[in-house]
Amino acid sequence: NAGVTQTPKFQVLKTGQSMTLQCAQDMNHEYMSWYRQDPGMGLRLIHYSVGAGITDQGEVPNGYNVSRSTTEDFPLRLLSAAPSQTSVYFCASSYGTGSGANVLTFGAGSRLTVL
Amino acid sequence: AQSVAQPEDQVNVAEGNPLTVKCTYSVSGNPYLFWYVQYPNRGLQFLLKYITGDNLVKGSYGFEAEFNKSQTSFHLKKPSALVSDSALYFCAVRDLLTGGGNKLTFGTGTQLKVEL
Repeated sequence: NAGVTQTPKFQVLKTGQSMTLQCAQDMNHEYMSWYRQDPGMGLRLIHYSVGAGITDQGEVPNGYNVSRSTTEDFPLRLLSAAPSQTSVYFCASSYGTGSGANVLTFGAGSRLTVL
Repeated sequence: AQSVAQPEDQVNVAEGNPLTVKCTYSVSGNPYLFWYVQYPNRGLQFLLKYITGDNLVKGSYGFEAEFNKSQTSFHLKKPSALVSDSALYFCAVRDLLTGGGNKLTFGTGTQLKVEL
């Protein structure tokens, strides 16, 4: 019963490098999303997906790409890392309908530092 | 647009006393409202939600929240605080009119500290 699994837990990048944060869920949730958490700013939505092959932008999408080729996986790509992307990133998933809809299950987070 | 305000960065309460963590919201349509809790170095965990119906919602660990439409508030409460309740609490809203795909907007969080 893994829930939402994020890798890596920690990463240090240099400005301009690219990387991918991985997110996988085993609950057959339709909806998946990425948030970033910064001190004093709460969580802000980066990108989200309502199903395989469908993605859309959230509040702060610039500098990030996503794709959803399977129901289980929703990777977040940083194209050219910048110090402003230093943050803690959370992946979350939920059912699209039914009593479990709207209730997000979060991963443990990925702490990214860009030098 | 949907937004959430948590006016207190930190709330301090003595163990055994009642606690309240405040939240107000703004939406264009009808709101879905949520409370999540985050323990150090962990992801957020769902506490409770208001979708429709009774304005008083009960959730995990003895927490409850009251939906007040006229005041656009959804304050989190617990009758008797425990030291183990110390954590970061987030209020979140989804606007049924615009918040498709379970797009939640989170507040900035309130650090709850319960002392002996």
